[in-house]
Amino acid sequence: DQQVKQNSPSLSVQEGRISILNCDYTNSMFDYFLWYKKYPAEGPTFLISISSIKDKNEDGRFTVFLNKSAKHLSLHIVPSQPGDSAVYFCAAGSVSNFGNEKLTFGTGTRLTIIP
Amino acid sequence: GAGVSQSPRYKVAKRGQDVALRCDPISGHVSLFWYQQALGQGPEFLTYFQNEAQLDKSGLPSDRFFAERPEGSVSTLKIQRTQQEDSAVYLCASSFTGGNQPQHFGDGTRLSIL
Repeated sequence: DQQVKQNSPSLSVQEGRISILNCDYTNSMFDYFLWYKKYPAEGPTFLISISSIKDKNEDGRFTVFLNKSAKHLSLHIVPSQPGDSAVYFCAAGSVSNFGNEKLTFGTGTRLTIIP
Repeated sequence: GAGVSQSPRYKVAKRGQDVALRCDPISGHVSLFWYQQALGQGPEFLTYFQNEAQLDKSGLPSDRFFAERPEGSVSTLKIQRTQQEDSAVYLCASSFTGGNQPQHFGDGTRLSIL
C-alpha cells in the first residue's frame, strides 16, 4: 500500500506564478515531512522539512504547509523560476521512534516552469 | 568533497554475478541509509545504520542483499547472484544524527543486470 501519495504526476506553471505541489499520507505515525527536488542523473536534494508540531515552515521562496487532520501537505514555490523545473518528492518519517528513521517517499511530481 | 559520494556511478553486470556498491557519507554523519529507486518511482528504503550498527534491514528484498558499515563510516551494499529485477538506481543517504535531521543523498549507482 502506498503510504505517501502524490496524485499529480506532472504540473506546468508559468514563470513568476505560484507552483503548488500536493502530497497525502495515510500513516498517522508519521511526524516529520520533507520535500526533495531531483534533477535527472542526480540524487534527491533536500529542500525543506516540517515537524508535525507545526503547520507551516518557510524558507525563501519555498513554504510547506501541513494539515494533520486531513493528512495532507503542500509545497508552495513563489515566484516560480525556470531552474525549479525538476521532479519533486514528498517524504515522511517517524522520528519519535528511535531506530525507525527511514523515509517513505511518494512517486514524485514533475514540475515544468514555462518561460 | 562535502557531499555523499557513491561509486561506481554505473554498473553493468550479467545475471548471476555478484556486485558491490560503495557509499562514502558526509564526514561526521552518524546515520546512513540505503534506498532503491525503480524507474518512475520514489526511493524505497532498504536498510539503515547508526554508526556501525545496522538498526533496520526490513527493506532488503531478499537474503541476496547484504549491507555493512564496519567502521561506522563507509558502507557497502552487496548483491549476490544478481537478477534482472535488481536493476535500479541505488541511493545512499546520510544524516548528522537520526531524528529530525534531513537525509542528504548521493547521486546513486545505476545498476543494470543483463
